[in-house]
Amino acid sequence: DTEVTQTPKHLVMGMTNKKSLKCEQHMGHRAMYWYKQKAKKPPELMFVYSYEKLSINESVPSRFSPECPNSSLLNLHLHALQPEDSALYLCASSPNRFGEQFFGPGTRLTVL
Amino acid sequence: QKEVEQDPGPLSVPEGAIVSLNCTYSNSAFQYFMWYRQYSRKGPELLMYTYSSGNKEDGRFTAQVDKSSKYISLFIRDSQPSDSATYLCAMSAVGRDDKIIFGKGTRLHILP
Repeated sequence: DTEVTQTPKHLVMGMTNKKSLKCEQHMGHRAMYWYKQKAKKPPELMFVYSYEKLSINESVPSRFSPECPNSSLLNLHLHALQPEDSALYLCASSPNRFGEQFFGPGTRLTVL
Repeated sequence: QKEVEQDPGPLSVPEGAIVSLNCTYSNSAFQYFMWYRQYSRKGPELLMYTYSSGNKEDGRFTAQVDKSSKYISLFIRDSQPSDSATYLCAMSAVGRDDKIIFGKGTRLHILP
C-alpha cells in the first residue's frame, strides 16, 4: 500500500461544532504531517509527528488539536473554528524527517 | 529575500513542447529537492526527489539541481494537456526541524 488516505473528503461545519479529520498510511513511515492550504497558495505546515510524538507545532490556534494514536493514524480534532479556517487540509507522511513527503488527497473544509 | 522563489505564472505552452520550470533558493544548507504536481482541489503528488546536485530522469520528467547557482529545474518533454496543473518545488535540509520549504507554485497550462 503506497498511499495516504484521508477522510472525509468534504466537511461543512458550523462555528460551534466539533469534528475530526482522519489520516492513515501503511507505508511504515514514522513522520506524519498536517498542512493547511488556501487557494493558489502552497501548503502551510501545522503539525509534525515523529515516531508518534508531536515534534513541531507551528503556533497553530488551540481550536486545532492533533492526535497520533499509533504509527499509521493521524487525527486532527476541530472545535470552535472560524470561517477563515476554511481550506484544504492535507495530511502527509515521510519515511524520514527531511526526505520526501507523500500527501493524501486532502479534506476540503468549509466553516459557516 | 524569500528562502525559495518560484514564478507563479501562469505559463501557457502548446502541446508537445518542452516545459521548463524553475526555482531559486537562498539557503545553501538545502540538500533534498522535490517537485510536486497538484491538480485543482487535489493533494500534491510527488514527481521527483533528488539529493544534492545533478540530474534525475523519470519518463518525460527530468529534474536538475545546480547547488553552486542555488537553482533547480524541472523539464517536461512532449507535454500533454493532462500535464496542466500547478507545480511546486520544495526543499529541505538536515537540522531544519523536519520541515520542507515550498515555492509558491507555477500554474502550467498545456494548450491542445
